[in-house]
Amino acid sequence: GQQLNQSPQSMFIQEGEDVSMNCTSSSIFNTWLWYKQEPGEGPVLLIALYKAGELTSNGRLTAQFGITRKDSFLNISASIPSDVGIYFCAGRRGGQFYFGTGTSLTVIP
Amino acid sequence: GAVVSQHPSRVICKSGTSVKIECRSLDFQATTMFWYRQFPKQSLMLMATSNEGSKATYEQGVEKDKFLINHASLTLSTLTVTSAHPEDSSFYICSARDYGDEQFFGPGTRLTVL
Repeated sequence: GQQLNQSPQSMFIQEGEDVSMNCTSSSIFNTWLWYKQEPGEGPVLLIALYKAGELTSNGRLTAQFGITRKDSFLNISASIPSDVGIYFCAGRRGGQFYFGTGTSLTVIP
Repeated sequence: GAVVSQHPSRVICKSGTSVKIECRSLDFQATTMFWYRQFPKQSLMLMATSNEGSKATYEQGVEKDKFLINHASLTLSTLTVTSAHPEDSSFYICSARDYGDEQFFGPGTRLTVL
């Protein structure tokens, strides 16, 4: 299926730094979801966004549903080593979900 | 809540055999279940969408006779890889959607075909 444009593809950061990643699409979505996947595991839902402009936090994570409904971003503040993994965005339109290509995050202690 | 289990977590089989993977929603009824395949360091590739009691909808390029999907109840879907070959080796992940807008993933099954 269709994939969303997610950037950056990978990030190498120092522990304590903030992280920002985003997803864009040429089509609008009704819901934006952000997942984290660790090696050998399935993706785990981090944040779900339901309305344009919505800003939602989950601990050190903050995500926003773009006002145009065509994009979303995820911020991680004060990164720690356990934040390592691949982060995926997903957009829902009707009954279909479309996934981003993933952002691989490496946190250097 | 919203837990999805998958069994087995790992399976190694000989070429030519068939392998069945189960996906269960443990604490909710899943109106729709999805099956994905993931290659190392790549994103999720949707294989098929299944709704309880009806035939699965396969994505383009996915052989429905090769990857048999059965969604027998609102809490169980199975994927059977028939006559598996080494190129079928991959990480298979299911997910389930309830009546809301969210999709919850299982922990995945690592299939290795010798």
